[in-house]
Amino acid sequence: SQQGEEDPQALSIQEGENATMNCSYKTSINNLQWYRQNSGRGLVHLILIRSNEREKHSGRLRVTLDTSKKSSSLLITASRAADTASYFCATDIGNYGQNFVFGPGTRLSVLP
Amino acid sequence: GAVVSQHPSWVICKSGTSVKIECRSLDFQATTMFWYRQFPKQSLMLMATSNEGSKATYEQGVEKDKFLINHASLTLSTLTVTSAHPEDSSFYICSARDRLRETQYFGPGTRLLVL
Repeated sequence: SQQGEEDPQALSIQEGENATMNCSYKTSINNLQWYRQNSGRGLVHLILIRSNEREKHSGRLRVTLDTSKKSSSLLITASRAADTASYFCATDIGNYGQNFVFGPGTRLSVLP
Repeated sequence: GAVVSQHPSWVICKSGTSVKIECRSLDFQATTMFWYRQFPKQSLMLMATSNEGSKATYEQGVEKDKFLINHASLTLSTLTVTSAHPEDSSFYICSARDRLRETQYFGPGTRLLVL
């Protein structure tokens, strides 16, 4: 089974609202990373949070990590239509990313 | 962030032909490159990991004779889909990293359609 699993699988919100996506994983990790993918495109790295960190911010993004619950959340505040994309968490559990496992992703739709 | 390119961005080929996809790191030396496959509305599945100058490590269930990977230099890795069949149609994405980075940088992907 997959290491990382996001929920919800799909999320539809209005522009200006906040979007929260969650990621759960099974094994110990070195770090957890969130990526964004627009339809039919490659992945764009959003933010990395290390196993000894609990929260990180980057612009409108806020990521939390709870290693005791093996879960992470990505919050996008004041969402925009341009935030419409799929969001994936990926857990790095080994050397140099050789055990870098993606979750199934959350498809976010931000309606204007 | 670092830039990774892929070529071609899309390819249509006949069943039985071989297709080569290139992945290049443009502004850093990639000691490790990864090849992923993604089906519509699904996540990325790691196919193989390649380190410069050594043989690729394939994930379970990925046929190494069908998906040939060459990582001959620190800036280039190639994936060759040999004797492609319609079931090989997919979105192939590469990523690259070096020992200084915890992040993998992804290429824009190559969409393969085998007729």
